[in-house]
Amino acid sequence: GAGVSQSPSNKVTEKGKDVELRCDPISGHTALYWYRQSLGQGLEFLIYFQGNSAPDKSGLPSDRFSAERTGGSVSTLTIQRTQQEDSAVYLCASSPDRAQETQYFGPGTRLLVL
Amino acid sequence: DAKTTQPPSMDCAEGRAANLPCNHSTISGNEYVYWYRQIHSQGPQYIIHGLKNNETNEMASLIITEDRKSSTLILPHATLRDTAVYYCIVEQAAGNKLTFGGGTRVLVKP
Repeated sequence: GAGVSQSPSNKVTEKGKDVELRCDPISGHTALYWYRQSLGQGLEFLIYFQGNSAPDKSGLPSDRFSAERTGGSVSTLTIQRTQQEDSAVYLCASSPDRAQETQYFGPGTRLLVL
Repeated sequence: DAKTTQPPSMDCAEGRAANLPCNHSTISGNEYVYWYRQIHSQGPQYIIHGLKNNETNEMASLIITEDRKSSTLILPHATLRDTAVYYCIVEQAAGNKLTFGGGTRVLVKP
């Protein structure tokens, strides 16, 4: 079946511009996560959506970052006024609505801020 | 504040078993041990997880010590496609906000 998809796969933008990154989770998965991975580094949690509950935004690095999930499916991560330090791979993952369930990751969006 | 410690790299011969160690001496009773791997330029891929019993699936085996302070991921017959960074993670089930550390970079050689 279809896995998690993300778009665009690559994004180059100029400092100060806004960007939107999209994630399509696996159908039926109610949990959705956004992570960031800088070059050669581990994963950094950003935000977590679970069903209709209020999202866990504890990992967002600044108020320039926001995310929404419409209709409990597709999610968009928005970075306003991008900075060079925002350059990273942004990964989305989804999992079914049960404890212990594993996360299935998308291929990521590679963001480069010039 | 790393919960796990892994060697930074290891080499393995193709066709041989790869044994990847992980120390998690501060693990609490309700925390699971998860293993993920990340092949170059791809998203992380789930491998296996366990609480206290040893686990086996089609990809690997997970051996957890009786005191749960360390574990070993075993790839029984490593192939070139197993070359990746392997991450050992300790997390509670609820929320599952994964935090990856440096992992072990495994290079499978012919």
